[in-house]
Amino acid sequence: LAKTTQPISMDSYEGQEVNITCSHNNIATNDYITWYQQFPSQGPRFIIQGYKTKVTNEVASLFIPADRKSSTLSLPRVSLSDTAVYYCLVEGGRGFQKLVFGTGTRLLVSP
Amino acid sequence: GAVVSQHPSRVICKSGTSVKIECRSLDFQATTMFWYRQFPKQSLMLMATSNEGSKATYEQGVEKDKFLINHASLTLSTLTVTSAHPEDSSFYICSAPRAAGGGLGLETQYFGPGTRLLVL
Repeated sequence: LAKTTQPISMDSYEGQEVNITCSHNNIATNDYITWYQQFPSQGPRFIIQGYKTKVTNEVASLFIPADRKSSTLSLPRVSLSDTAVYYCLVEGGRGFQKLVFGTGTRLLVSP
Repeated sequence: GAVVSQHPSRVICKSGTSVKIECRSLDFQATTMFWYRQFPKQSLMLMATSNEGSKATYEQGVEKDKFLINHASLTLSTLTVTSAHPEDSSFYICSAPRAAGGGLGLETQYFGPGTRLLVL
């Protein structure tokens, strides 16, 4: 299972764009990248998933360079409710693989 | 989207008693579920993989006789903390994977809301 490295914490203000970068130097060919969001005393919630290039959904964008050794979660115009811990995970291909969580990035959005 | 529930949401028990936590996939079947433990300000730590119809697979350092896992059906896994002690107080979370669709064989993990256990 590829190990991931993220900043421990980030601060932002309402309305700003936030980019959280994750390093996964040992990512394997069949691995894909998933980001989860966790609020205090709640289970993690799926945000976005991708394999390469760019993926966008209604809440975020995920940028993955050609070498796939890193990925960047982009949150447009954050609000106070985006204050949470964000986890980047590399999932080992197919077959209901178990997840290994890293430290995550604690994002604090201020007014 | 898929929903995973946990029951109870929080429980307080006396030291030495056993506590059962249920994890249910509400609108899909899950032959595999995962159990995590999370201490305050820390990340999720995988405890075990629950397999329907067979024994659970425990991560290194997790006592299988203390944390009993039973995957009784395709929608239910239970975690029993036996002879609980204060150091077992934690936030327990389960997850169930579901195919993401699209023909790529990808999956998405759906997490339960968690169970807060406090052992006095």
